[in-house]
Amino acid sequence: KQEVTQIPAALSVPEGENLVLNCSFTDSAIYNLQWFRQDPGKGLTSLLLIQSSQREQTSGRLNASLDKSSGRSTLYIAASQPGDSATYLCAVVTGANSKLTFGKGITLSVRP
Amino acid sequence: GAGVSQSPSNKVTEKGKDVELRCDPISGHTALYWYRQSLGQGLEFLIYFQGNSAPDKSGLPSDRFSAERTGGSVSTLTIQRTQQEDSAVYLCASSLDGKSSYNEQFFGPGTRLTVL
Repeated sequence: KQEVTQIPAALSVPEGENLVLNCSFTDSAIYNLQWFRQDPGKGLTSLLLIQSSQREQTSGRLNASLDKSSGRSTLYIAASQPGDSATYLCAVVTGANSKLTFGKGITLSVRP
Repeated sequence: GAGVSQSPSNKVTEKGKDVELRCDPISGHTALYWYRQSLGQGLEFLIYFQGNSAPDKSGLPSDRFSAERTGGSVSTLTIQRTQQEDSAVYLCASSLDGKSSYNEQFFGPGTRLTVL
């Protein structure tokens, strides 16, 4: 059974810092990995999707990498801003029915 | 076009009542998913539709939960005889084609269910 872990559960950084959010998964036979952002009381916003054949994806200040063989992904946020404060969730697709298995998320607080 | 929409956004009900939650996927998306997000449990898969059929119902927690999808579009998740442990945010997602596991899933804003 696939398990996704995100540690730590919470992170607080000063504005302007570059930071890395970690995600690990137990079954390396994934089809893809998605990073999501969730604001309090809101749904999920997809940030980046990495296919199993890819090593990284970039969007603006965000860069996600994937090391499938070691079961790890990282989300790099450059020059963090208070508006980046949210919960960041990592999820993988393992089976043929393409359902997502989620980590419990990392709650990020960027201090002005 | 529009994203995934869900209604109602909030639902408060009494224990033992039935509730229906609705999801409108992105137009043209054949795959639809229901997930549940509860405190301490994180986000859990409930059911997956490809068109109007549900090839994977493995996440439904009990026989009080059922879902249907009509016309390959709107889906309804029904919870009968609600219990307090059903309180959670119910999220719906859609993707272009669930038969390809490479497609991105897009989520709706969710329905917050509170069972008193």
